[in-house]
Amino acid sequence: EVQLVESGGALIQPGGSLRLSCAASGFNVRSHYMSWVRQAPGKGLEWVSIIHSGGTTYYADSVRGRFTISKDNSKNTIYLQMNSLRAEDTAVYFCARGWELEFDPRGQGTLVTVPS
Amino acid sequence: QSALAQPASVSGSPGQSITLSCTGTSSDIGTYNYVSWYQQYPGKAPKLLIYGVNSRPSEVSDRFSGSKSGNTASLTISGLQAGDEADYYCSSYRNSNTWVFGGGTKLTVL
Repeated sequence: EVQLVESGGALIQPGGSLRLSCAASGFNVRSHYMSWVRQAPGKGLEWVSIIHSGGTTYYADSVRGRFTISKDNSKNTIYLQMNSLRAEDTAVYFCARGWELEFDPRGQGTLVTVPS
Repeated sequence: QSALAQPASVSGSPGQSITLSCTGTSSDIGTYNYVSWYQQYPGKAPKLLIYGVNSRPSEVSDRFSGSKSGNTASLTISGLQAGDEADYYCSSYRNSNTWVFGGGTKLTVL
């Protein structure tokens, strides 16, 4: 059974840094594309970044150069290092598996708040 | 990176069939079959309903079905139920190894 548990969200001042984690169970992250998706309060879903099984990474224009996705296959965990945070980065961050972007519907994501 | 276009809201009566649309471009839906649909309740993570345009995870009810024509993908919900009242999102692979979501449709069951 696929389980994804996001953590690391916090209230952080503009310009600050934060690292989010997504612990996976029920499958191996080494074998799957893994993404981060965010949702600003009261808004829709926004794709943020993806890491391929081989480690290649891609980013949305809105975060390229500021965010870095990575993974630790031994811990079955993916990360999102967020630097130079802005008010518009305020959102709940979810991780998702595969090109299908399969979320864990039991999850609630992790909230990042950057005050304006 | 502009979002896929979804109607902001739709409504239907119990038992009815309803179709939600998701319109993209030749850079995403029109070229690639990597279209997914999600159901989201307030405060919860999205649930994958459809992937690959028309494939359904085993645990998802067969009342949900997907299709695509040109640059537009569609999600059809048959036998509408009160529990189907939720937000629905589409997503698609887009050129240059990026993904894009629709703005979401709020479904109201009357």
